[in-house]
Amino acid sequence: TQLLEQSPQFLSIQEGENLTVYCNSSSVFSSLQWYRQEPGEGPVLLVTVVTGGEVKKLKRLTFQFGDARKDSSLHITAAQPGDTGLYLCAGVYGQNFVFGPGTRLSVLP
Amino acid sequence: NAGVTQTPKFQVLKTGQSMTLQCAQDMNHEYMSWYRQDPGMGLRLIHYSVGAGITDQGEVPNGYNVSRSTTEDFPLRLLSAAPSQTSVYFCASSPGLAGETQYFGPGTRLLVL
Repeated sequence: TQLLEQSPQFLSIQEGENLTVYCNSSSVFSSLQWYRQEPGEGPVLLVTVVTGGEVKKLKRLTFQFGDARKDSSLHITAAQPGDTGLYLCAGVYGQNFVFGPGTRLSVLP
Repeated sequence: NAGVTQTPKFQVLKTGQSMTLQCAQDMNHEYMSWYRQDPGMGLRLIHYSVGAGITDQGEVPNGYNVSRSTTEDFPLRLLSAAPSQTSVYFCASSPGLAGETQYFGPGTRLLVL
C-alpha cells in the first residue's frame, strides 16, 4: 500500500479537453508537491501547496490542496499536446519525500 | 549552474557485477537522495543524505551502498547486480525538506542481464 495514491493511472484525451487528476492519502501532509516528468528526463516541480484549501494557478493548470491536507487535485483547462507527460504528487513524510505512482497523461492533437 | 548531473546515462551489467552510479550537484544543497523508478510504482527512495558524512536508508536499500564525503557528490554503489535492479535511477538534491523543491538529474537507465 502506497502512502500517496493517484488516479487515474492513465488518461488519454483530445487537445482542448479539460481534465482533473487526483492525489489521495490517509495521512496528513504539511505540504504536497506536483511534478511533471517527460520521457527520458527527471521530474520537474510544478507547484507546492501548503495551506489546507489552498488553490494555486499556473497558466492553464489549477492545483488545490484539500481542507484536511490529505489530498490534492490538478485540473488542466484546454489541454495541449505539450501537457503530455507523467504527473507525480509528492510530500514529506518523516525525513523523506514520498511519491505517488503517477498519472500518465497523453494529449492527442 | 549545471544543476544535478548523473553518469552514465545508460549501462548494461551482467548478474554479479558491481558498479557505481555517479551524482553531483553544484547548488550547495544539503539534502541528496537516490530513487529508482519502475513502471507503475512511481519513485522509490533507495538512500538519502541530509549532509556530508550523514547517510540513511530509504524504502528499498538492499543491494545498494552510498557515501557522502562532500556536499557535492553522492555516489550509489551496486554491490552485486541482480536482474531485479534493472530500473531507471534518479539522483535528486534539495536545500532541505519542508516545502523545498527537489531538483532531479537526467537519470541512469540500468539493465542487468
